[in-house]
Amino acid sequence: NAGVTQTPKFQVLKTGQSMTLQCAQDMNHEYMSWYRQDPGMGLRLIHYSVGAGITDQGEVPNGYNVSRSTTEDFPLRLLSAAPSQTSVYFCASRTGQSAQPQHFGDGTRLSIL
Amino acid sequence: AQSVSQHNHHVILSEAASLELGCNYSYGGTVNLFWYVQYPGQHLQLLLKYFSGDPLVKGIKGFEAEFIKSKFSFNLRKPSVQWSDTAEYFCAVKHGSGNTGKLIFGQGTTLQVKP
Repeated sequence: NAGVTQTPKFQVLKTGQSMTLQCAQDMNHEYMSWYRQDPGMGLRLIHYSVGAGITDQGEVPNGYNVSRSTTEDFPLRLLSAAPSQTSVYFCASRTGQSAQPQHFGDGTRLSIL
Repeated sequence: AQSVSQHNHHVILSEAASLELGCNYSYGGTVNLFWYVQYPGQHLQLLLKYFSGDPLVKGIKGFEAEFIKSKFSFNLRKPSVQWSDTAEYFCAVKHGSGNTGKLIFGQGTTLQVKP
């Protein structure tokens, strides 16, 4: 049981490039989410999904797209990378039961030059 | 807007000292409350959670937290810290019931324990 798997672990991009951060979970969790972690700002929610085919915006969605074609996968797309998107990105998942905690992936450290 | 505030940004303690990290949230309705810990270079791990019942919650590694509804607080405590508790600690609050409730994190508190 791998839990929440994020790839890649590290990535360096040039401004204007696009890329997709992958997130997969094997726990059959309905709820998945993407956060970015920046110093002094904690984790901020980018996008989330309550099930396959359903996504919604979090606190800081601009510049990012998501899709949820399967229960297992929840990729995060940067359309045109900007230096302000330099951050550590965490994917998380949980069951549909509201009080259950989220399980986090190991993170993707992304630098935009 | 809903928010979570952690008052201590950086705490330095000696081993065996007692710890209390403050957490306050702004939402007045039903909440689920969590404390997560992030050890250097690792992902977030759940320390403890509260969703109903006894407001004093015990978690892993000797941590506990008390939910005080009237103060909108969920402070984390540990009677005697160890060097291995050096990490970043995040308070998080999920507002409302149902599957769609979003988890809002505080800014985090960096704890440094000196041996």
